Amino acid sequence: GQQVMQIPQYQHVQEGEDFTTYCNSSTTLSNIQWYKQRPGGHPVFLIQLVKSGEVKKQKRLTFQFGEAKKNSSLHITATQTTDVGTYFCAGVDAGNMLTFGGGTRLMVKP
Amino acid sequence: DTEVTQTPKHLVMGMTNKKSLKCEQHMGHRAMYWYKQKAKKPPELMFVYSYEKLSINESVPSRFSPECPNSSLLNLHLHALQPEDSALYLCASSQDWASYEQYFGPGTRLTVT
Repeated sequence: GQQVMQIPQYQHVQEGEDFTTYCNSSTTLSNIQWYKQRPGGHPVFLIQLVKSGEVKKQKRLTFQFGEAKKNSSLHITATQTTDVGTYFCAGVDAGNMLTFGGGTRLMVKP
Repeated sequence: DTEVTQTPKHLVMGMTNKKSLKCEQHMGHRAMYWYKQKAKKPPELMFVYSYEKLSINESVPSRFSPECPNSSLLNLHLHALQPEDSALYLCASSQDWASYEQYFGPGTRLTVT
């Protein structure tokens, strides 16, 4: 079945530093979604990427979808303490099955 | 209203108990999901209902029994659970199956003693 790998598992950054998490799928995806889960909270949808090579921005967050539609990244510029949480990618394959990556837990030191 | 509600927030049950988890959404979404999430792990899909019909059962043990009484409600009936079933149970909904963003409820924290 489809596998979605995410790296790194954990990232500690100083407030103001940048952060990137990477997502790789074993199969070509029809789209990829990103979610954020705060400690003690539930996953909250951030964005969906559909097109090959697509780049979308949300304030300090930049999302990319690879040309082959098998990988994606989320980059946060100048992290803030409010960015703390676990970021999950979730890939949707041709069979409409959504698979979550393992997540990257971001910790920000003030 | 973009909210998915779940009750109860916390549940402690013995291995011989029968209990139910409830989920509700009023966004007109036609797909609803149950996920299980262990600490520091991603959500793990259990069931998918599409247009009130069970579309996916990810080989979940029969001690978990889903039910979709109508398009707004989703239940998960629990019976004879094991301690390893202790987890956060998340309900989610989406406009349609899988290709659309999912809205998650706050979850039910289940402890099986």
